[in-house]
Amino acid sequence: AQSVTQPDIHITVSEGASLELRCNYSYGATPYLFWYVQSPGQGLQLLLKYFSGDTLVQGIKGFEAEFKRSQSSFNLRKPSVHWSDAAEYFCAVGPKAAGNKLTFGGGTRVLVKP
Amino acid sequence: DAGVIQSPRHEVTEMGQEVTLRCKPISGHDYLFWYRQTMMRGLELLIYFNNNVPIDDSGMPEDRFSAKMPNASFSTLKIQPSEPRDSAVYFCASSLGTALYGYTFGSGTRLTVV
Repeated sequence: AQSVTQPDIHITVSEGASLELRCNYSYGATPYLFWYVQSPGQGLQLLLKYFSGDTLVQGIKGFEAEFKRSQSSFNLRKPSVHWSDAAEYFCAVGPKAAGNKLTFGGGTRVLVKP
Repeated sequence: DAGVIQSPRHEVTEMGQEVTLRCKPISGHDYLFWYRQTMMRGLELLIYFNNNVPIDDSGMPEDRFSAKMPNASFSTLKIQPSEPRDSAVYFCASSLGTALYGYTFGSGTRLTVV
């Protein structure tokens, strides 16, 4: 069965510093990969997605993620965080074959220090 | 498009009462998902529909929970009778086709059962 692991439950980062959130997945084949962000009191918003091709994908709000097949990882990065990036971030995987059921990780809560 | 619309945004009810949560997916989307989010269990998929037909309801916790999708533009999640442990944020999401495009989430309904 597929699974998604986000090893870090909480991360605290200073404003202006870089951020990297880890995501590891277990899947029968290379799946579709996603990162979502959830601001307090809001639903989840899609940040970026990977289907195939270039393993470095760009998303909204200055985020990027890199797919590493050998490590079954899809880590999210941002070079310089802003206070508004404080939120919870979810990694998700979905099937390339028939079906449309995303599996979400447990989330990483990011706190931004001034 | 107004996105996925959920109502109500907040619901407070007494134990034993019936609760109905509502969702209007994005027009043209053929998949609809109901999720529950709690601190303890994170995001849980309760049920999802494809073309108004329930495909997987294995996440529905008990017979007290039921979901319907009478047409392509409306779905309900009903809890009868409600219990305090049902307190959570319930999200509806919709998508088009396969997992390729990810999901669009609503803003959620925060349910409190006292």
